Formats: sequence, C-alpha cells, structure tokens
Amino acid sequence: AQKITQTQPGMFVQEKEAVTLDCTYDTSDQSYGLFWYKQPSSGEMIFLIYQGSYDEQNATEGRYSLNFQKARKSANLVISASQLGDSAMYFCAMRIQGAQKLVFGQGTRLTINP
Amino acid sequence: DSGVTQTPKHLITATGQRVTLRCSPRSGDLSVYWYQQSLDQGLQFLIQYYNGEERAKGNILERFSAQQFPDLHSELNLSSLELGDSALYFCASSDRHEQYFGPGTRLTVT
Repeated sequence: AQKITQTQPGMFVQEKEAVTLDCTYDTSDQSYGLFWYKQPSSGEMIFLIYQGSYDEQNATEGRYSLNFQKARKSANLVISASQLGDSAMYFCAMRIQGAQKLVFGQGTRLTINP
Repeated sequence: DSGVTQTPKHLITATGQRVTLRCSPRSGDLSVYWYQQSLDQGLQFLIQYYNGEERAKGNILERFSAQQFPDLHSELNLSSLELGDSALYFCASSDRHEQYFGPGTRLTVT
C-alpha cells in the first residue's frame, strides 16, 4: 500500500527565509507521481507542484521547487524567500500509475513570522 | 480559482438526514474525484468518475453514493447522516497529472 509521511506537524519561519517541508513516501511501484498542495485557512486546496517518478530534473514552479531524491524516497518542498501569505497547511500526496486517487500525508502547518 | 465549482459552500443538517453535494469540473476535464477531509481521518479519497462511469472507489461508506451526469457535473449523496460525517468534502477534476480541487463543501451534522 502507498503511504505518505510528513514528520513536521508545524514549522515557524521568518519572512524572506527559505523553508523546506519534508515528505517521504512508500510504494513498491516504479511509476508514480508526487504532488504538493497548499491549504490556507480559507480551506481551499491549491495545487503547487508535480514531480513524476521518471522525471530526471527536480520540478520548479516560481518560488516552489521539489527536492526529489528517489533512492531515499523523499520529495521535499522548498519555498524560497517566504512571504506572510505562505502561512498555511501544506500537504504532500502521491498517485501511482493506473490508480487515479491521491494518497495524502497528514500535512505540515507552516507559519511565517514578520 | 481552480475552475472547479462546488455547491453549497456550507451545509448544516441533523442526524439521520440526507444531503446532496454538487460539483462541476473544469471545462474539458472528464474525471471527477470526491475526497473527505476530517480532523481524525485527514484527507481521504472517496470515489472517482470518468465520463459518467465509476472508475475507482476508496473509503466510501455504503450510506454514501455518487454519480456523474452527461454534462459531467457530479453529485455526492450522503444519507442517514451521523455526527462523524461532519467534514469538508472536496471535489477535484484532473488534467493529465494534476488534480484541481474545488473550494469544498463544509458539512456540519448536529
């Protein structure tokens, strides 16, 4: 069975600093996708970034990058130059090939301090 | 704005009642997914429809059912509601890889 582990329940970071949110995953499948979503206090789930298991380069989307280490089964999200608006819950998720559902981790609550 | 719409935004109802949640996917997306987010269970996949047909089933209770209509909108029906069904219910629709979530329906069962 697939499993996502996010070991940081909460993180506090100063504005403008970079932050890394940890995510490890467990699957025996070779083909899978990894996702990060942001959930602000308003409740919506916002897609941030995607990494395919066969992608050779780490995914980047603006200030977001995904540090993908396949051998270690980790897919950490890096947010550069954090902003107050980055305060939210962040969820790591995985989808294996052929199964459309996303399996989510428990989330990390990120708080950016001014 | 993800392009996925959900109604209603909030729903308060009593135990034993039945409710219907509605979702319209992004234009062009054929797949619709339903997820439940609760404090104790986290985010859990319930069910997926693709172009009107059920494609995958997750941790969906027998009291819950869903369907996708020819215009691709989907409805999630929850019946014989219990206090534990109180949660945020998301609908998502998919592009090639990403699933785009709607704003959710917050269901409170009293």
